[in-house]
Amino acid sequence: EVQLQESGPGLVKPSQSLSLTCSVTGYSITSNYWGWIRKFPGNKMEWMGYISYSGSTSYNPSLKSRISITRDTSKNQFFLQLNSVTTEDTATYYCARPQFDYWGQGVMVTVSS
Amino acid sequence: DVVMTQTPPSLSVAIGQSVSISCKSSQSLVYSDGKTYLHWLLQSPGRSPKRLIYQVSNLGSGVPDRFSGTGSQKDFTLKISRVEAEDLGVYYCAQTTHFPRTFGGGTKLELK
Repeated sequence: EVQLQESGPGLVKPSQSLSLTCSVTGYSITSNYWGWIRKFPGNKMEWMGYISYSGSTSYNPSLKSRISITRDTSKNQFFLQLNSVTTEDTATYYCARPQFDYWGQGVMVTVSS
Repeated sequence: DVVMTQTPPSLSVAIGQSVSISCKSSQSLVYSDGKTYLHWLLQSPGRSPKRLIYQVSNLGSGVPDRFSGTGSQKDFTLKISRVEAEDLGVYYCAQTTHFPRTFGGGTKLELK
């Protein structure tokens, strides 16, 4: 069974970087695509980007200058880094397959001083 | 970006009632391969989103056939026949035809 699990700090200070890890079990990240989606307070959902089986990436243009998705194939993990965060980046962050068939449990990240 | 407009924003239903949720996109969601990448998700309280329907009308794994999806081009509908308590939560439509991927604003299904 494919399982995804996010990890990372729940509190980040404004202007700093947000870094999250998604650990995947039951499926190799060198197959398929793997991405990040966030849900803001309220109902708004935003697709952030993904990394492919080959390591290529695609990002939401609204984030393009601040976002980086990388991976460690030896650990079957992929990562999100979001730079220069503001309070508007406060959200629950999910790692998921871009087909939406598998999701992590989500990690709530608050940006606050 | 493709704007996904969901209506209504909320629904109050009785158990056993049938309901429909509409999703309209600002552009056609037909991809160059002829397929339409419109999906429906449900986020139950305290849980991660779950895919209910993919590519307009295909039932996701383990999803009961009380759920059905229809539509084409820019106009799509999710129907739930005989609502059960476990169906409560926020429903989203989402498109993966165009970049960036985008979501509807959500429809909250509550018990009457």
